[in-house]
Amino acid sequence: QSALAQPASVSGSPGQSITISCTGTSNDVGAYDFVSWYQQHPGKAPKVMIYDVTNRPSGVSNRFSGSKSGNTASLTISGLQPEDEADYYCTSYTRSTSHLLFGGGTKLTVL
Amino acid sequence: EVKLLESGGGLVQPGGSLRLSCEASGFPLSSFAMSWVRQAPGKGLEWLSGTSVGGGRTYYADSVKGRFTTSRDNSKNTVFLQVNSLRADDTAIYYCAKERSSAWYGRIDYLGQGTLVIVSS
Repeated sequence: QSALAQPASVSGSPGQSITISCTGTSNDVGAYDFVSWYQQHPGKAPKVMIYDVTNRPSGVSNRFSGSKSGNTASLTISGLQPEDEADYYCTSYTRSTSHLLFGGGTKLTVL
Repeated sequence: EVKLLESGGGLVQPGGSLRLSCEASGFPLSSFAMSWVRQAPGKGLEWLSGTSVGGGRTYYADSVKGRFTTSRDNSKNTVFLQVNSLRADDTAIYYCAKERSSAWYGRIDYLGQGTLVIVSS
């Protein structure tokens, strides 16, 4: 299957808000509320920031929020901070094959 | 505290095999689905497999189906990934991941630090 579609890069200034989109199909993103977002700093393991579309794991800042409309999920980071600069990946469970799809990743630059 | 510690990576020739291990702690392995994810150098994340507990099926990505096999030993709190017929494009960091529940739905909550596999002659 094709990866979920994410913008290759986004940028913002400290204090601003940015949104990263993740577009799939009615067979994955649109089928279940099993969308997650991962943050990965260079040389580090990925960390889950959002699960089940909108939920934040314990310890994740409330500046991170998730949403979904139809076949597109979104990650919003408000009050950008320099430490938010990282790669972000979305994932979705796929109804037809029970596979997990990853987005291609979005590099966030905090200017 | 949940911890996942992968091991078993290394340099292997094309066509070779490795057995990767993931030692889990801080939670009862027998109660949670587990999966494997990898990341080639400079590339994005790629899901490899997901397994439910209780005799559930294991699902594999098309890119590794027939070559990679997952298993677990709950008594040792360890999951394994047997990787066979390795190719150069299997070179990657391999991460094991814990699911939020016993059923596999890709709802990962923790990943380990990974183990590096390099396939080269």
